[in-house]
Formats: sequence, structure tokens, C-alpha cells
Amino acid sequence: TQLLEQSPQFLSIQEGENLTVYCNSSSVFSSLQWYRQEPGEGPVLLVTVVTGGEVKKLKRLTFQFGDARKDSSLHITAAQPGDTGLYLCAGTGSSNTGKLIFGQGTTLQVKP
Amino acid sequence: EPEVTQTPSHQVTQMGQEVILRCVPISNHLYFYWYRQILGQKVEFLVSFYNNEISEKSEIFDDQFSVERPDGSNFTLKIRSTKLEDSAMYFCASSAELPSGELFFGEGSRLTVL
Repeated sequence: TQLLEQSPQFLSIQEGENLTVYCNSSSVFSSLQWYRQEPGEGPVLLVTVVTGGEVKKLKRLTFQFGDARKDSSLHITAAQPGDTGLYLCAGTGSSNTGKLIFGQGTTLQVKP
Repeated sequence: EPEVTQTPSHQVTQMGQEVILRCVPISNHLYFYWYRQILGQKVEFLVSFYNNEISEKSEIFDDQFSVERPDGSNFTLKIRSTKLEDSAMYFCASSAELPSGELFFGEGSRLTVL
């Protein structure tokens, strides 16, 4: 069974600080996606990483896929209150059906 | 911007009743999914659907669950006899391509079983 462990589960920081969220597994994933979910809404895709060692940037967000494609990280530089939300990592399962396996999520609170 | 729409947004039902959750995926998408999220827990895969048949289902998706695409636009999830533990947010998603195509999620249907 493929599992994804996210850490930390909760993070409360001051505006302007940097943070990193980790997503780890003992399994290899063909791709890994990061989503953001607002209360009462469905997850919204931020980025997909496919190649081991790949790094993608989205403004102040940097996403990295581990060389072995078993782990990923999300780094936010100079966090802002608008970054507050639930961040989810999800890996594409070993079957070729598009099934996603989600981590348990990281709730981020950025205080002004 | 195209989006996945789900109805109802919230349904309250008595244990043992049948429930149908409806979804309209994005029109040119070919792959359809149902996920659920019990309050405070992770998003869990239920079922994937392609070419008018189930392509994969999880252990959660037992005989009480079924999916259907009756008319080429709607994608429904039916729970035949609801249990208390079926209370959750149910998300429909669709994708245009595999394997790493973006999944577009609907806003979810909250099911409360009393």
C-alpha cells in the first residue's frame, strides 16, 4: 500500500518567515502533486512534479521532487497571510488510472 | 473557466436511506473520480471511471456504492443504504489525460448521516 506522510501537520508562523512542508513515502510515485484546499472547497492544484530532482517555482513557492521520486517538499519564502490554508501533497498511484494518494495535509497559519 | 460542479452541496439523511450525489465534470474530460474526506482526516480515493466503466476502486467502495454516467454529462455516486460512517465530504474530480494530468475537483457534497 502506497502511503504519503506529510509534516508538519500544523504550522503557525509570522508574516515574512520562511517555511518548508515535507511529503515522504517509502514508495516511488510516477508524479507528485501539491494542492491547496480552502475550507468548504475542493483541492486546487498548485503544481505537478514528474522528474526526480525536479524543482518548480510558483512565485514565492518552491516545489522539489526527490531524486528517487519518493519524497517532495514545498518551501514558501516570506510567507504572507494570504498563504494561510491547507496544503496537500498527492502522489499518482502505481496503477495507471490517475488515482491519487493524498497525504494528511499541512494546515498553515500566517499571522500578520 | 470550466469547472466541476456538484449537487447537492449538503445533504442530511437517515441511516439506511439511499443517497445519490451528482457531478457534472468538465465537458472534454475523459477520466472521472470520486474521493471522500471524513472530517479531520485525509482525502481518500473511492473510485475512478473511464470509458463507461470502473477502472479502479478502493476497499471503501464496497457493494453499497455504485457510480454511473447516465447521459454523457452527469457522473453520479449512489450509496444504497447509508451508514453513520459514510458521513463525509464527497469530492468529484475529472481529468483530461493520464497519468499525471491535472485533476479538477468540485467543491464537494457534504453528506451527514443521522
